Amino acid sequence: AQTVTQSQPEMSVQEAETVTLSCTYDTSENNYYLFWYKQPPSRQMILVIRQEAYKQQNATENRFSVNFQKAAKSFSLKISDSQLGDTAMYFCAFSPPKSGGGADGLTFGKGTHLIIQP
Amino acid sequence: EPEVTQTPSHQVTQMGQEVILRCVPISNHLYFYWYRQILGQKVEFLVSFYNNEISEKSEIFDDQFSVERPDGSNFTLKIRSTKLEDSAMYFCASRRTGISHEQYFGPGTRLTVT
Repeated sequence: AQTVTQSQPEMSVQEAETVTLSCTYDTSENNYYLFWYKQPPSRQMILVIRQEAYKQQNATENRFSVNFQKAAKSFSLKISDSQLGDTAMYFCAFSPPKSGGGADGLTFGKGTHLIIQP
Repeated sequence: EPEVTQTPSHQVTQMGQEVILRCVPISNHLYFYWYRQILGQKVEFLVSFYNNEISEKSEIFDDQFSVERPDGSNFTLKIRSTKLEDSAMYFCASRRTGISHEQYFGPGTRLTVT
């Protein structure tokens, strides 16, 4: 069974600063997918960024980037030039591929509550 | 941009009653999911559905729960004989086939069992 660990329950930074949220996971799979989801106070789950384990290049999406360390099973999210609208819960999630079709559910971490201070 | 929709946004029911939560996945998606999130806790996988049958289910998804795709657009979660501990946010998600494993979530239905 896979597990996802987010060791920072809450973080607070000033607007425009850079912040890094940590995530580690445990799996015996070699190929899998990792995601960061954002959950603002509205509680909608919004996909922020994804990473395929077979890709060595770290994914980036505008101000959001990841540091994927496969050997260490680490998948951190970096938010540059943080904005007030980035205030939210951030969940790291893991998805193994399933051969022969079908679909696996995501395994989520417990989340990090990120607060951006003005 | 297409999105997953869920109805109702909030459902209040009495313990022991049956509820049906409804979802309309993105139209060209073929994989469907239900998750739940008890207040203040992490999101938990319940069930996945593909090709008109359950693909995978978690330990949480016991005989009290069932899913159905009654027509070409809706995907429902039925909870029989609700319990207080079923109070949670229920999220529907969908994913298109192929190499993409991105799941797109609906806004959720907040279920309150009294």
